[in-house]
Amino acid sequence: EIVMTQSPATLSVSPGERATLSCRASQSVSSNLAWYQHKPGQAPRLLIYGASTRATGIPARFSGSGSGTEFTLTISGLQSEDFAVYYCHQYNNWPPWTFGQGTKVEIK
Amino acid sequence: EVQLVESGGVVVQPGGSLRLSCAASGFVFDDYTMHWVRQTPERGLEWVSLITWDGGSTYYADSVKGRFTISRDNRKNSLFLQMNSLRTEDTALYYCAKNLEPEITAGLFGHWGQGTLVTVSS
Repeated sequence: EIVMTQSPATLSVSPGERATLSCRASQSVSSNLAWYQHKPGQAPRLLIYGASTRATGIPARFSGSGSGTEFTLTISGLQSEDFAVYYCHQYNNWPPWTFGQGTKVEIK
Repeated sequence: EVQLVESGGVVVQPGGSLRLSCAASGFVFDDYTMHWVRQTPERGLEWVSLITWDGGSTYYADSVKGRFTISRDNRKNSLFLQMNSLRTEDTALYYCAKNLEPEITAGLFGHWGQGTLVTVSS
């Protein structure tokens, strides 16, 4: 099973600033890495897949990079609706599909 | 608009059984592999099970293998999870999720429901 490790656990950012979230895989997942945004009481939302492809309707301020074992999600110019928990997810080696433990982006 | 609505979550005693349902709309249901994923504060997001678009293949996490059964009714655009021999560690918010792309067994979760809460407690 591939273990996904996200850092930091919590990120305090002021509106308008940039947030950089990291995700590391215990072994290579190629570019088969997705990022999801999750707000309390809502369905998780797909942001990025293929490590760097934005899903339909996702604003350009969200960008993903990386391959192999190291990945980054960058949110440029944080807006109020971006404060949420973000999860990375590998879909290269399955089953099982595995997730990181999440990074909470909170208002500074 | 894709909609996935889970139901069936309740409080159940250890050793009991429960059937979760997921009603799908807004897409051609029988073209897509579907999943169940659960979430707890302690373990985070945990993939539970998958069923291919035609129901021909299923996969399970080791933690639920032999106790849970995934199924679907393509005529009714519905996904199910039969949960038997429930344990306290099965307590979680259960989501159904749809593959991003059609007719692919593997892949990632393009859309999720809002979840239904299962509590296993005496």
